[in-house]
Amino acid sequence: AQSVSQHNHHVILSEAASLELGCNYSYGGTVNLFWYVQYPGQHLQLLLKYFSGDPLVKGIKGFEAEFIKSKFSFNLRKPSVQWSDTAEYFCAVNPFYSSASKIIFGSGTRLSIRP
Amino acid sequence: GAVVSQHPSRVICKSGTSVKIECRSLDFQATTMFWYRQFPKQSLMLMATSNEGSKATYEQGVEKDKFLINHASLTLSTLTVTSAHPEDSSFYICSASRTSGGSPYNEQFFGPGTRLTVL
Repeated sequence: AQSVSQHNHHVILSEAASLELGCNYSYGGTVNLFWYVQYPGQHLQLLLKYFSGDPLVKGIKGFEAEFIKSKFSFNLRKPSVQWSDTAEYFCAVNPFYSSASKIIFGSGTRLSIRP
Repeated sequence: GAVVSQHPSRVICKSGTSVKIECRSLDFQATTMFWYRQFPKQSLMLMATSNEGSKATYEQGVEKDKFLINHASLTLSTLTVTSAHPEDSSFYICSASRTSGGSPYNEQFFGPGTRLTVL
């Protein structure tokens, strides 16, 4: 079945540790890819997006993600996390064959940062 | 820019009553609005897609008679949960999209969500 998979449900890190959250999708063809963040009690915010071009995209707050087409992956990275990065992170996919705006979310990864 | 609001932010109702949730794009005209449902510690599940002036498109498994969507204008969509039951308790989130100059993808902007509790 077509899906978006985030294999890490809960990640716990210490401040200054490096972060990598995995995301794989199973949609064929061209896709647009996103990472969203949901801080406690707040609404979803777009961290970064990939439409085309350089597969390494940089987003807000020092986050970046790399699109590897052969692996159907779009992993999120940050070299040094901060306590304020504690949040829920969602990978999302917009398959080109779907409507122009429809996006499918992964199950989310809860990131907890120890001060 | 691109602010989306929802009202109310929280509602508690008795079983069997109907609840209406509003979603507004405050500073842009939304070509399409989406309604999602989020269970605790889970992802957003798309319920339906609505375009102004036309019937909403519901995802498989979503009861259209249960979750009525009206998209009366380019800045307002409403979701009515009819004859609500405790299992309808959830976090409902809307998003609105607008054209992104030249891009075939229309970026979505999310509202803050509405927490529905059915007693």
